[in-house]
This record gives sequence, structure tokens and C-alpha cells, in this order.
Amino acid sequence: DTEVTQTPKHLVMGMTNKKSLKCEQHMGHRAMYWYKQKAKKPPELMFVYSYEKLSINESVPSRFSPECPNSSLLNLHLHALQPEDSALYLCASSQDSEQYFGPGTRLTVT
Amino acid sequence: AQSVSQHNHHVILSEAASLELGCNYSYGGTVNLFWYVQYPGQHLQLLLKYFSGDPLVKGIKGFEAEFIKSKFSFNLRKPSVQWSDTAEYFCAVIPIAGGYQKVTFGIGTKLQVIP
Repeated sequence: DTEVTQTPKHLVMGMTNKKSLKCEQHMGHRAMYWYKQKAKKPPELMFVYSYEKLSINESVPSRFSPECPNSSLLNLHLHALQPEDSALYLCASSQDSEQYFGPGTRLTVT
Repeated sequence: AQSVSQHNHHVILSEAASLELGCNYSYGGTVNLFWYVQYPGQHLQLLLKYFSGDPLVKGIKGFEAEFIKSKFSFNLRKPSVQWSDTAEYFCAVIPIAGGYQKVTFGIGTKLQVIP
């Protein structure tokens, strides 16, 4: 199984809502990542977890809160988002340098 | 910190034309290099990668790339493109130091192949 799955595929939320994005991989990869991708732009790294510990936070606003409950799961908790946070949120995993990407969650903040 | 530049932001080709997309990176140490493709409405997929050894690497769907260390380049090529190659192509770099974690993507090249 070389697949990274993400749920939901689409999410529309208001600025006062709290929601969570979920990511799962069963490849035994040690590292998992959250990226944000705006239209016609490359993915921007947000967070990296290595062995279930947060190892990189790219100065992401606190309204985004990552969580790694176990080695297969990665969550991104969202609270009080702004319209400019609307984007495709990608999850990835890796054992070494090659990263496997999920299909993403298309988030719209209204 | 590393950086990646892709020279062509939007390329339009007719089917059967040859393709070369430029990618240059800036980093003082050893890196692993990748080309990813994102077809319309789909997620990022790995086209090919270079870690070490033969600088000419072959990937899926007839793509290849050549690593030229002296030029810090990793250009993507395909001898004859097809309409199905229409997609966004991203060059990416990961420094070997630092636990392979921090990948830097180029801005991307949108390839449009006209039937």
C-alpha cells in the first residue's frame, strides 16, 4: 500500500468554525508533513512530524494546530481561519527523502 | 537555505514536440533532486528522482532528467510529448543534511500540449 489518504476531500467552513483535516498512511513512514498549496503555486511546507514528534513548524499561525496521534495518523485542527487560508492542504509521508503525497483537502473559508 | 528556480512558467507545445524544462537550485551541500507532476485535478506524483550515481535518470511515462553538478541543474526532458502530458511540473530539492525533511519546490511550470 503506497497510498496517503486524506479526508475530507472538500471542506467549507466559516471563520468561527472549528474543523479538522485527517491524513493516514500505512507505509510505516517515519515522517509526515502538512503543506498548503494556493492556486498556480508550489506547495508550501507548514509542519513536519518525525517519529510522531513535531520537528518543523514553518512559522504557521496558531489557528492551525497539528497533531500526530500515532505513526500512521496526522491531523490538522483548524480554528478561526481567515478567507485567505482557503487553499489545497496536502499531506505527505516519507521514510527517506522521497515524499508520497495525498490527494489533498480543498478548503474554502467563508 | 536552499532555493529552486524553474525558468519556464508556461510552456505550450504541439503533440510530438520535444520538451525540456529547466531547473536550477542553489545550495552549498549535497542534495537529492526530484521532479513531481500534478495533472489537472489530481495530486502530486513523483516523475523521477536523483540521489547519486548515473546523472541521467529515467522516470515514468518516458521522462528523463540530467543532473549537471557544475551547473546546479536538473533539467527534465521528453523526446515526444503527448496531450496527456498536460500538467504542472515541479522541480524539488532536499538537502541530505537535516534528516531529509525540508523539501523546497520550484514555482512550477505549466505545460500545455495541443493535439
